[in-house]
Amino acid sequence: NAGVTQTPKFRVLKTGQSMTLLCAQDMNHEYMYWYRQDPGMGLRLIHYSVGEGTTAKGEVPDGYNVSRLKKQNFLLGLESAAPSQTSVYFCASSGWTGWEPQHFGDGTRLSIL
Amino acid sequence: DQQVKQNSPSLSVQEGRISILNCDYTNSMFDYFLWYKKYPAEGPTFLISISSIKDKNEDGRFTVFLNKSAKHLSLHIVPSQPGDSAVYFCAASADNFNKFYFGSGTKLNVKP
Repeated sequence: NAGVTQTPKFRVLKTGQSMTLLCAQDMNHEYMYWYRQDPGMGLRLIHYSVGEGTTAKGEVPDGYNVSRLKKQNFLLGLESAAPSQTSVYFCASSGWTGWEPQHFGDGTRLSIL
Repeated sequence: DQQVKQNSPSLSVQEGRISILNCDYTNSMFDYFLWYKKYPAEGPTFLISISSIKDKNEDGRFTVFLNKSAKHLSLHIVPSQPGDSAVYFCAASADNFNKFYFGSGTKLNVKP
């Protein structure tokens, strides 16, 4: 069972570079989420999607864009990376039948120099 | 300002004893609460949940207590085992899109 798969696992960027983080889930979940985890801050929601073709802003959306062209994939883009975006990024998915636990990927560790 | 707070960054407990992890929240609209467990280099995994219509939920060695008047929840692990050593996050939700607010986590160390 793959569950939620994040690609890549590690990446180092220079300030100003762009990149896309890919999240794929095989559980046919409607909802998908992108979080960042920083020391002492827990997980903070960046963007989320409640279905194919939809996206919405979370707590900390600035500097990020997302797309959900296919139900199973949720992409997180950094157009012009900044050192403040150095973090561990987690993708999660969940069903939509009331409150359901989110299923998380193993994270992407991103460093911006 | 964080709406969900875990004020103890770490906790050390002897194997076989009880571990109590605490979580406070500020938003009275939160009506569903979760605890997640996280090992290094892995994503968080769901542990136990409770809705606001209950004050206790139990699953094996894990029990979550909710005190709505105090806006406080706690996770009890009895008996604690070395494999329980991990970071524990509490999370709360107030809407229909399953969006959760997370605390900063408590690192539990269970000593053999």
